Parts: sequence; structure tokens; C-alpha cells
Amino acid sequence: EAEVAQSPRYKITEKSQAVAFWCDPISGHATLYWYRQILGQGPELLVQFQDESVVDDSQLPKDRFSAERLKGVDSTLKIQPAELGDSAMYLCASRRDSSTDTQYFGPGTRLTVL
Amino acid sequence: QQQVKQSPQSLIVQKGGIPIINCAYENTAFDYFPWYQQFPGKGPALLIAIRPDVSEKKEGRFTISFNKSAKQFSLHIMDSQPGDSATYFCAASIGTSGSRLTFGEGTQLTVNP
Repeated sequence: EAEVAQSPRYKITEKSQAVAFWCDPISGHATLYWYRQILGQGPELLVQFQDESVVDDSQLPKDRFSAERLKGVDSTLKIQPAELGDSAMYLCASRRDSSTDTQYFGPGTRLTVL
Repeated sequence: QQQVKQSPQSLIVQKGGIPIINCAYENTAFDYFPWYQQFPGKGPALLIAIRPDVSEKKEGRFTISFNKSAKQFSLHIMDSQPGDSATYFCAASIGTSGSRLTFGEGTQLTVNP
């Protein structure tokens, strides 16, 4: 069964450093989402791509976060500089196309900022 | 703005019991309501989902009940097992547009042997 891949699974960094997370969605999935999940809470959307275009980044802290999906396949989420409050699980999800509602999640990247 | 409210925050049942988790939403444009199961250190996995044109959907031991007029929906787990111990999230979206999922706060379920 195809799955969403994410790396690294765990990342520990010091505040003010730069970090990057990678996501490879299920093959053929046009829509890609990055969510952030703070411990004990539900995930919240950071950014949504349709192919290579951003369609929703209203909740992305653009002063320090950036995301790209250059060829409309895999995606990178970057934080620079990292702050203590960025410690969370970063989840990537994908959806095939407009014929389905289902979003499939990857295993996530657990970020700890010291 | 929290648009999906979930309760209870935690729930403990005995094996074979029927835990019930409730969610209420505000945005009447939502038309897709999934439930996700999440184990520690893992990403959420889709359990079951419903659209507002039906009042109930059953898949295996999991049932969603949906009340459109009350803007509420709930998850029932029949014959619960210790392996069902996990955190459960309800969510909602405008599914036809592929919009973001708005998640509830989560319910930590413990099923004792």
C-alpha cells in the first residue's frame, strides 16, 4: 500500500538554527498539505499545494517559514530561524484529486527546539 | 477560531465496552467529516468518514452518527479492544474543494483488558 514518506523522523535543533523537512506524497497525488501538531492538540494546516502552486498559506508564519513544491511532486518545509515555540510534530498529507476527499498522512517529523 | 469542538478529552472503558466520542461544528459549509486514529509517534490514520446526506455510516466496529440540524456527529466503537487505545480526532472540511481539515482537540481512549 502506497504511503506518504517524510524525513527526518526526528530533528533536534537549537533556537535560531535553520531546519528543513521533506515530504514525498503518494504517487500521483496532486494536493499536498503541511500540518503542524502541537502535543496534545489536533493538527493545524500550515500550507496547501495544488500541484506546484500554493493555494492556502494563510496560517503559515511567513517571516520564518517557507515551503516549496517545485515540480509538483515532493515538497520541503523550512524554518529559519527556529524558535522554542516551533517544537511540534510536522505532518505531511496528500490527496489524489478532486474526485476524493480523503487525505492520507505521513508519519510526521518530530521537531524539538532547545 | 475553533470551529470543531470535541469531547470528552479522555475516556476509559473496559474491553467490550462502547466508547462514544462527540464533535460539534460551526461552519455550515463543511460537507466532509472524517475520524482519524493516531497512535503515539505516528501520523493520523483515516478510520471512517461521512457526508451530511446520510445520518449514519458503519464500517466494521466503527459507526459515525450524524445530526445535520444539530451540527453534531459522533463516533461509536463497538466491542472495543485494548488495541483500540489511541487518540481519536474528528475533523471537518469543505471536501469538494479539497480544503484544509479542521480538527477537534482529540480524545485519548484507553481500553482496559
